[in-house]
Amino acid sequence: AIQVTQSPSSLSASVGDTVTFSCRASRGIRNDLAWYQQQPGKAPKLLIFGASYLQNGVPPRFSGSGSGTDFFLTISSLQPEDFAAYYCLQTYSYPHTFGQGTRLEIK
Amino acid sequence: QVQLVESGGGVVQPGTSLRLSCAASGFSLSSYGMHWVRQAPGQGLEWVASISYDGGQKFYADSVKGRFTVSKDTNTLYLHMDGQRREDTAMYYCVRDLSLATAWPGYWGQGTLVTVSS
Repeated sequence: AIQVTQSPSSLSASVGDTVTFSCRASRGIRNDLAWYQQQPGKAPKLLIFGASYLQNGVPPRFSGSGSGTDFFLTISSLQPEDFAAYYCLQTYSYPHTFGQGTRLEIK
Repeated sequence: QVQLVESGGGVVQPGTSLRLSCAASGFSLSSYGMHWVRQAPGQGLEWVASISYDGGQKFYADSVKGRFTVSKDTNTLYLHMDGQRREDTAMYYCVRDLSLATAWPGYWGQGTLVTVSS
């Protein structure tokens, strides 16, 4: 199974900051990676698919990049509603695998 | 409007069986791949199982292979869980692929909670 390592596990930042999370796959997965945001007590929400394609309705301050084994999610100009948990998911092969998650906290 | 409503969760004893349901509306289940994803309390997300749009292909996480079965009929997705273990305690989410031509888990239900405890 492909392992996906997400980092950091947690991050503190302030409103207005720009932050970047990363996911590394144990082998090449082309661009078959998605990013999700999860607010406490809520279901996850798809932000980015195909490594860099923004899901409809997601603000453009979210962006994804990368291919192969290294992927990044960048949030520019953090808003209060962005403080949440973020997960990546590889869909290149089964079993699909999530990263361990990054918890974004207010500094 | 895509709507997914899970049900069937509850408290069950180890070793017993349980069937989760996910009622789909606003689209045809026969046109989309579907998934089950779970989240243990305070933990991250774990992909559990997927079924292709036509039901012909099914895939499972190693942790549930041989114990869980995913299936669907016209309007409902199912997850049949046998031999429940304490580590199966989690919120279970039903997820639909984003679009007809892609395999991105995009639309999520609100989840149903399964607690395995004696």
